Amino acid sequence: EVQLVQSGAEVKKPGESLKISCRGSGYSFTNHWIGWVRQMPGKGLEWMGIIHPADSDTTYSPSFEGQVTISADKSISTAYLQWTSLRASDTAMYYCARQISNSWSAYWGQGTLVTVSS
Amino acid sequence: DIQMTQSPSSVSASVGDRVTIACRASQDISSWLAWYQQKPGRAPKLLIYGASTLQSGVPSRFSGTGSGTDFTLTISSLQPEDFATYYCQQANSFPLTFGGGTKVEV
Repeated sequence: EVQLVQSGAEVKKPGESLKISCRGSGYSFTNHWIGWVRQMPGKGLEWMGIIHPADSDTTYSPSFEGQVTISADKSISTAYLQWTSLRASDTAMYYCARQISNSWSAYWGQGTLVTVSS
Repeated sequence: DIQMTQSPSSVSASVGDRVTIACRASQDISSWLAWYQQKPGRAPKLLIYGASTLQSGVPSRFSGTGSGTDFTLTISSLQPEDFATYYCQQANSFPLTFGGGTKVEV
C-alpha cells in the first residue's frame, strides 16, 4: 500500500527556521515525483513545487521560489520542505503528494499544519 | 501562469441530483486537466486525470469531459459522501495551477 506520512504539526515564531518531512513507503521512492501543496486557512490549494528523488531535480512555482527549499533523501525515502525565516503568512496546512509522472497528485500525505505566531 | 477558473463557487444540491462543475483554463491545455475532491479536514483525493480518466477506485458516477480550455466534472447521482469541495488542476505547463474550488453542499 502506497503511503506518505508527514511530520507532525509545528508552532513557530516569525523568523524561525523549519523543515517538515514526508516519508514514502509501499512503492519505489526514487521512481516517482513528489509534490508539495499549500492550503492556507479556509482557502484553496496552491502548488508549490515538485522534486524527483532519484536525482533531486526540482521545479518551483515562481510564487514560492526563494521562499522555501524542497529536497529529498532517497536513502530514507523522505522528502522535505524547508524555510529559513518563517512569516505569519506561512501559516497553513502543507501537503506532500506522490505524482503520476510529474503531473497528477495521486497519493497524498495527511498534511502538516504549520502555525507561525509571535 | 495558466489561470484556472471554476464555476460556480458553490452549488446547493440534494442526494440523487446530477451536479455539473465547470473549469476554464486561460489558454489551451489540451487534456492536461485533473479533478480532486476534498472533504473538511482531509487531504485532497484525485478523481480524474487526463480530463476524463477515472482514477482507480473512484465510483463511475464521476465523469470528466472537455479539452482545450473548457472542462466539466459531472456527478451523475449525488451521494451523501460526495458533499465536498472540488478542485480542477492543469498540468500542461509549470507552474501547475489549481482552480479556486467549488463547494457542493446541501
